[in-house]
Amino acid sequence: DTAVSQTPKYLVTQMGNDKSIKCEQNLGHDTMYWYKQDSKKFLKIMFSYNNKELIINETVPNRFSPKSPDKAHLNLHINSLELGDSAVYFCASSQNRGSTRGYTFGSGTRLTVV
Amino acid sequence: KQEVTQIPAALSVPEGENLVLNCSFTDSAIYNLQWFRQDPGKGLTSLLLIQSSQREQTSGRLNASLDKSSGRSTLYIAASQPGDSATYLCAVITQGGSEKLVFGKGMKLTVNP
Repeated sequence: DTAVSQTPKYLVTQMGNDKSIKCEQNLGHDTMYWYKQDSKKFLKIMFSYNNKELIINETVPNRFSPKSPDKAHLNLHINSLELGDSAVYFCASSQNRGSTRGYTFGSGTRLTVV
Repeated sequence: KQEVTQIPAALSVPEGENLVLNCSFTDSAIYNLQWFRQDPGKGLTSLLLIQSSQREQTSGRLNASLDKSSGRSTLYIAASQPGDSATYLCAVITQGGSEKLVFGKGMKLTVNP
């Protein structure tokens, strides 16, 4: 009965490969996000989608492309992976304006590029 | 640009102490403030959410306060336990334009038995 679920949990891949991370939420939230947690544990927003529409695109390389087929799903595709892409990627969701419940996060995908 | 600061970056205390974790933010135009807990190798667990119109929220041994005008929040943990050991993250939900959650760098808490 997970609220925000991400797959896979772990991903180890070689430089230059293309990989995808999937996220689904069953909370009925309108907005979904991708956050990156770097090696120093700092969490920073990458993208947000509201009802399948891209709202936020922070300074992220073009190799990262989010896709939202419907408001319950937000996937992240990464092309030509680099060593510096190694991080933990978190998906999150919220009702607009953070509502009274705030943000709910998935358990993260630990990406290791070798 | 909103910046969130948590000081100190780490804290080690003996079991039973009452703790105050500090968070400050530069732009008072926020919707809400949310405190999270992150255990090593795990995701984020929401602890408390304070709406901008509220002054505090309580859940069990946790109490969070918000002073929006001064850009400060504190998380109070009563009678700390070893199980409270984790990284505590403060985040604000920004107003204006595209809403997003902006995080501090977290405070790693170790409660020693």
